[in-house]
Amino acid sequence: KNEVEQSPQNLTAQEGEFITINCSYSVGISALHWLQQHPGGGIVSLFMLSSGKKKHGRLIATINIQEKHSSLHITASHPRDSAVYICAVSNFGNEKLTFGTGTRLTIIP
Amino acid sequence: NAGVTQTPKFQVLKTGQSMTLQCAQDMNHNSMYWYRQDPGMGLRLIYYSASEGTTDKGEVPNGYNVSRLNKREFSLRLESAAPSQTSVYFCASGGRSPGYNEQFFGPGTRLTVL
Repeated sequence: KNEVEQSPQNLTAQEGEFITINCSYSVGISALHWLQQHPGGGIVSLFMLSSGKKKHGRLIATINIQEKHSSLHITASHPRDSAVYICAVSNFGNEKLTFGTGTRLTIIP
Repeated sequence: NAGVTQTPKFQVLKTGQSMTLQCAQDMNHNSMYWYRQDPGMGLRLIYYSASEGTTDKGEVPNGYNVSRLNKREFSLRLESAAPSQTSVYFCASGGRSPGYNEQFFGPGTRLTVL
């Protein structure tokens, strides 16, 4: 079973700061997913990546397959970025995801 | 497109009562999933269905049953609710090839069992 560890568990930052959330996993994967959950809200898929880097607006996701590590970066953070960010991995030939416990991000105006 | 819809949004049950959570997707996805989310535990898979007519147990299936009624609908049933089943339940669907399965989530059902 793949273990997924996220750090930090909680992160508070000032508006405008550059944010990094980390995710490590224990065995080989086919893809890594970053998800976002706003307080009391649903869960939205931000990225699915298996190599390199992806960018969407102010969000950037990177993955290092050799080191079994991924990072989610937020540039010019804004209070509306306050949410729980969840890392998950999927394995070859398997429809299931294994989830980390999430990182709670709070951006203070 | 509505995406993934779930009903109800909130529910309060007494211990021993039964209920069915409904989920439907309009994205023509093959795979559907039921998760529960508890504080500090992350999302845990209860049951999933890789295709119409098939269902498989996930990490925490005890106390639950599922039905994949057709390609669109996947229901979760609690036959005799227990306080330990108090949780937020999410349904999801996924449509790409196995291992590259981006999942789309419903809005969740907040269930309290007294």
